[in-house]
Amino acid sequence: DTAVSQTPKYLVTQMGNDKSIKCEQNLGHDTMYWYKQDSKKFLKIMFSYNNKELIINETVPNRFSPKSPDKAHLNLHINSLELGDSAVYFCASSQRDRGQFFGPGTRLTVL
Amino acid sequence: GIQVEQSPPDLILQEGANSTLRCNFSDSVNNLQWFHQNPWGQLINLFYIPSGTKQNGRLSATTVATERYSLLYISSSQTTDSGVYFCAVEWYGGSQGNLIFGKGTKLSVKP
Repeated sequence: DTAVSQTPKYLVTQMGNDKSIKCEQNLGHDTMYWYKQDSKKFLKIMFSYNNKELIINETVPNRFSPKSPDKAHLNLHINSLELGDSAVYFCASSQRDRGQFFGPGTRLTVL
Repeated sequence: GIQVEQSPPDLILQEGANSTLRCNFSDSVNNLQWFHQNPWGQLINLFYIPSGTKQNGRLSATTVATERYSLLYISSSQTTDSGVYFCAVEWYGGSQGNLIFGKGTKLSVKP
């Protein structure tokens, strides 16, 4: 009965590769998000999706693209991976006035 | 943009002690949340508290929005309370749903 789930939990890949991280929520929430946590534990929002519409896009390289096949899923695609992309990526979801709930995170290591 | 400052940055407690963590923010906010990131990296939603006081077991939180601060109280601390505590706000002047995180308070509870 996991609320927000992500796969994979760990992802190790070479520079230049393209990879995807999947996220699913079974809470019936309207909005889903992707956050990046760097090596200093600082968390920063990357994207949010509401009803298949991108409503936030912070200063994120266009190599990163969110894809939402339906309301319960928001996948993160990353092209041409770079060393600096190594981080922990968290998916989250929310319903208005109830706060955000986070997935377990995906640790991405780019070699 | 809004600044979110947490104090103290580090805190070491003996099991059974009480503590208060503080979060100051520089502008009006729509929402405020407290999270606990455990040693396994999981982000746990503690409180959704844009104003007022809430309690959940040994933890309680108070937000005074007019004075731009929130407090998280931990009573009778246990070793399982160890980890990083984050305050995050949804800035009134920012994009809806965009959570801005503080740098966290790292708590270590010794047996």
